Amino acid sequence: AQSVSQHNHHVILSEAASLELGCNYSYGGTVNLFWYVQYPGQHLQLLLKYFSGDPLVKGIKGFEAEFIKSKFSFNLRKPSVQWSDTAEYFCAVNPSGGYNKLIFGAGTRLAVHP
Amino acid sequence: GAGVSQSPRYKVAKRGQDVALRCDPISGHVSLFWYQQALGQGPEFLTYFQNEAQLDKSGLPSDRFFAERPEGSVSTLKIQRTQQEDSAVYLCASSLTGQGLYGYTFGSGTRLTVV
Repeated sequence: AQSVSQHNHHVILSEAASLELGCNYSYGGTVNLFWYVQYPGQHLQLLLKYFSGDPLVKGIKGFEAEFIKSKFSFNLRKPSVQWSDTAEYFCAVNPSGGYNKLIFGAGTRLAVHP
Repeated sequence: GAGVSQSPRYKVAKRGQDVALRCDPISGHVSLFWYQQALGQGPEFLTYFQNEAQLDKSGLPSDRFFAERPEGSVSTLKIQRTQQEDSAVYLCASSLTGQGLYGYTFGSGTRLTVV
């Protein structure tokens, strides 16, 4: 069955530390990939997406993600986190050509301490 | 409106009660999705509408779940004879085009608690 795995459920960092959140998916065909963020008390928002082309994707607020097809991975990175990055982060996959639905990972809760 | 609006924000239902959850998508958005998010989990797809047509309902967990979008705008997710395992946040999302991936906007969700 198609699935999305996020390796860390909880991550705690100090401000200015670097961030990398892992995401792996199980699907053999072409996929579209997403990272969503949910700030406390707010709705899910799109952080970045990959459809094709350059596997290094830049999103909002200094986030980027790299698609590595051979590893079925789409890890999220940020060189220097801020307290305002405290949120829950969800990786999601859409098997291209299939339904328009997204398959989400279980999420990673990030806490950034000043 | 400026965003996707869901009501109510919170709903407590007694086991066996029927509930109806409403989603007002962004005006003019063609695609509408419902997701279920259990505690500690990511959202799981329930159903998808393109205008008034329900094109995919493969994620509805049982025949107690029913969704409609009769005029291609507002959608209602109905759950009959609620069970404790139905407790979750129900998320609605809409998109301008038929290709729902180009700009999914989520609502804040309805948190359903079945007691």
